[in-house]
Amino acid sequence: QVQLQESGPGLVKPSQTLSLTCTVSGGPISSGTYYWNWIRQPAGEGLEWIGRVYSSGTTNYNPSLKSRVSISVDTSKNQFSLKLSSVTAADTAVYYCARANYYDSSGYDTSGYFDYWGQGTLVTVSS
Amino acid sequence: DIQMTQSPSSLSASVGDRVTLTCRASQSISNYLNWYQQKPGKAPNLLIYAASRLQSGVPSRFSGSGSGTDFTLTITSLQPEDSAIYYCQQNYHSPYTFGQGTKLEIK
Repeated sequence: QVQLQESGPGLVKPSQTLSLTCTVSGGPISSGTYYWNWIRQPAGEGLEWIGRVYSSGTTNYNPSLKSRVSISVDTSKNQFSLKLSSVTAADTAVYYCARANYYDSSGYDTSGYFDYWGQGTLVTVSS
Repeated sequence: DIQMTQSPSSLSASVGDRVTLTCRASQSISNYLNWYQQKPGKAPNLLIYAASRLQSGVPSRFSGSGSGTDFTLTITSLQPEDSAIYYCQQNYHSPYTFGQGTKLEIK
């Protein structure tokens, strides 16, 4: 059973860099056709996809955050990480890591659906 | 970006009812549409992927349909544990976007 767990500081000062790590257990991060994603949700609001990384290190980012975001993978530790720079109060949210699976059990190409999620971690931006 | 619009924003129904939630995309997304259920304080849980495929372990009272721009999630025989917010999400084109959610309350 795949499990994802976010970790990192819960409080970040404005203008600093938010850094989170997602540890994957239950299988190697490099196996299968999966992308590893970060998604966030401000309190009482909807979900925003931040970006993703493949085990090779290939990344895709949401253009709305692209200038400030970096996602990387460490296959030796079975982890992937998020860095978001120059944060403001608008970046306060619950941050989730999630796996995107590109093929279902029958081999059908689904182009990615988020089938496993971490429990989420609240990051507050405040001085 | 592809905009996803859900309706209604909230609804209330009784145990045993059949409810239909709607999601509309701002452009055609073929069948690259997924539905998630989110309960308070929890991560979203995948219910339906590729518009109509039931995720493993999800009760069969959940079903999805649609293609192009218009999609529906139907829940038959509502149960108390179905009280949640339901989100649709397109994975046709990056950036992947979610609807604003439909809050389902069980009377």
